[in-house]
Amino acid sequence: GESVGLHLPTLSVQEGDNSIINCAYSNSASDYFIWYKQESGKGPQFIIDIRSNMDKRQGQRVTVLLNKTVKHLSLQIAATQPGDSAVYFCAGDYYGQNFVFGPGTRLSVLP
Amino acid sequence: KAGVTQTPRYLIKTRGQQVTLSCSPISGHRSVSWYQQTPGQGLQFLFEYFSETQRNKGNFPGRFSGRQFSNSRSEMNVSTLELGDSALYLCASRGTGGRNEKLFFGSGTQLSVL
Repeated sequence: GESVGLHLPTLSVQEGDNSIINCAYSNSASDYFIWYKQESGKGPQFIIDIRSNMDKRQGQRVTVLLNKTVKHLSLQIAATQPGDSAVYFCAGDYYGQNFVFGPGTRLSVLP
Repeated sequence: KAGVTQTPRYLIKTRGQQVTLSCSPISGHRSVSWYQQTPGQGLQFLFEYFSETQRNKGNFPGRFSGRQFSNSRSEMNVSTLELGDSALYLCASRGTGGRNEKLFFGSGTQLSVL
């Protein structure tokens, strides 16, 4: 079946360092990907998205990279702050019908 | 612009009961999707409604059902509750549900089945 997975369930980084969260997907037909951030007690919040005709997209302190050859995407967070502590999900569009979510990576920012 | 609103925020039910959850999408959004989130399975797609019609359905038993009203508000119903139904139920809306359209999530309804 379809799957979108993350390489690491947890990630700890020092405040001020850059964070990289990885994600692999299996469906070649997925042409749209989203990264979400979920804080405790809240629903997932949109961070950044990317279409399959792009390799890279930048937002405010965040960058998403897409490698279609190896079906891999990553989220880079620059100058990680305590407020970035959350669970991060990648999601891939499944034939335009629904999104398939990865299991999530918990990012902890150390002081 | 108000976000996606889900009610109630918390629910406690016992096995065998049924429950109805409510979702109001962002104004103007016509597509509403429901997801179940558990620590073990992550976010699992339940179904999507668009213009009062179920457009897509995930791999859940028939005890899980939903509907959408003409104002795009949606309800989800779970009958004959089981302990394994304990989860955070998330509602998400998007404009038309077309491709390359992001989902906007509510804060969810935390359901506990005792």
